[in-house]
Amino acid sequence: KQEVTQIPAALSVPEGENLVLNCSFTDSAIYNLQWFRQDPGKGLTSLLLIQSSQREQTSGRLNASLDKSSGRSTLYIAASQPGDSATYLCAVRAYSGAGSYQLTFGKGTKLSVIP
Amino acid sequence: GAGVSQTPSNKVTEKGKYVELRCDPISGHTALYWYRQSLGQGPEFLIYFQGTGAADDSGLPNDRFFAVRPEGSVSTLKIQRTERGDSAVYLCASSRGLAESTDTQYFGPGTRLTVL
Repeated sequence: KQEVTQIPAALSVPEGENLVLNCSFTDSAIYNLQWFRQDPGKGLTSLLLIQSSQREQTSGRLNASLDKSSGRSTLYIAASQPGDSATYLCAVRAYSGAGSYQLTFGKGTKLSVIP
Repeated sequence: GAGVSQTPSNKVTEKGKYVELRCDPISGHTALYWYRQSLGQGPEFLIYFQGTGAADDSGLPNDRFFAVRPEGSVSTLKIQRTERGDSAVYLCASSRGLAESTDTQYFGPGTRLTVL
């Protein structure tokens, strides 16, 4: 059974700092990996999706990398801002064996950016 | 529509009652998913629809949970004889359905269910 682990569980940084969030998964037979942002009381917003054949994706101040063979991904946030404060979730997509390509999520990293 | 919408946003019920949670996907999206997110956890898959049919319901925890999507658009998640352990945020997501293995899923804001 696929398991996704995110480290650290929580992170507090001063504004302007660069930071890295880590995600690891146990089964490398994935189709893609997705990073989401979740604000309190809100749904999930997709930030970056990396297909299994890709090594990284970039969007603005965000850069996500994928090392499928070692089961790891990192989300790099440059020049953090207070508005980046949220919970960041990592999810991998794999075939469930029961008819769908399921997303398996980690528990998330709660990020606080201090002004 | 502009995004995935879910109603109600909050639902408080008593143990043993029946509840229905509604999801309106993005217009034209044929794939629809339900997830459950307990406090401090990531979302967990419940069921996947392609069109009107449930292609994968392997995540439903037991037979008290059921979901329908009769016209291939709006979906309703139904929970019978609710238990306190059912308290969670229920999230709905939709995608284009053209290539399920690679399509981006777009999530709604969720329904927070509290069973007293």
